[in-house]
Amino acid sequence: QKEVEQDPGPLSVPEGAIVSLNCTYSNSAFQYFMWYRQYSRKGPELLMYTYSSGNKEDGRFTAQVDKSSKYISLFIRDSQPSDSATYLCAKVKGDDKIIFGKGTRLHILP
Amino acid sequence: DVKVTQSSRYLVKRTGEKVFLECVQDMDHENMFWYRQDPGLGLRLIYFSYDVKMKEKGDIPEGYSVSREKKERFSLILESASTNQTSMYLCASSLMGLSYNEQFFGPGTRLTVL
Repeated sequence: QKEVEQDPGPLSVPEGAIVSLNCTYSNSAFQYFMWYRQYSRKGPELLMYTYSSGNKEDGRFTAQVDKSSKYISLFIRDSQPSDSATYLCAKVKGDDKIIFGKGTRLHILP
Repeated sequence: DVKVTQSSRYLVKRTGEKVFLECVQDMDHENMFWYRQDPGLGLRLIYFSYDVKMKEKGDIPEGYSVSREKKERFSLILESASTNQTSMYLCASSLMGLSYNEQFFGPGTRLTVL
């Protein structure tokens, strides 16, 4: 089992909808989780990070970690066409390394 | 503003050629990384470096080597390019020892090996 599993999509939703992106992880040894966003023909950039379990909110974005089920979620409220991108979940592995999911392609339809 | 730059956005090479991909960061970061990104496979770590002249293998080092002679520069070398090395190559850097280890990525080099 890969350490971080993510459905590649694509996921298409209408503008204004709530988007839910999910990952599962194995190995609970390290507790920092991250979401990166990657626009087409660009490198990934950090969107949010969260420690251990619970929620973290930043504007329209909420990151959630459920330790009991080993689930990582990213919610986007009032989705915009500019949110169309690939979203990568990631887990801090230790030794300054990160394990990335394969990414979910998201399309917000105007 | 933090910045990671890569020498080329697009590169076309022939099988058997030696290929150099250059990455420079201006943030005084200790750590630097080379990944390749392929559809359906995601980001895979090729090599990383914690310091000048230090390097460690990632998950898929075969067919690649690296060089870090200066702190700000990390080079990926394909000794003899093959068609299965056609991919998007991403360089990243980060500060050492941070708990959440944000990595800053360059724009990527799309390499095609014919």
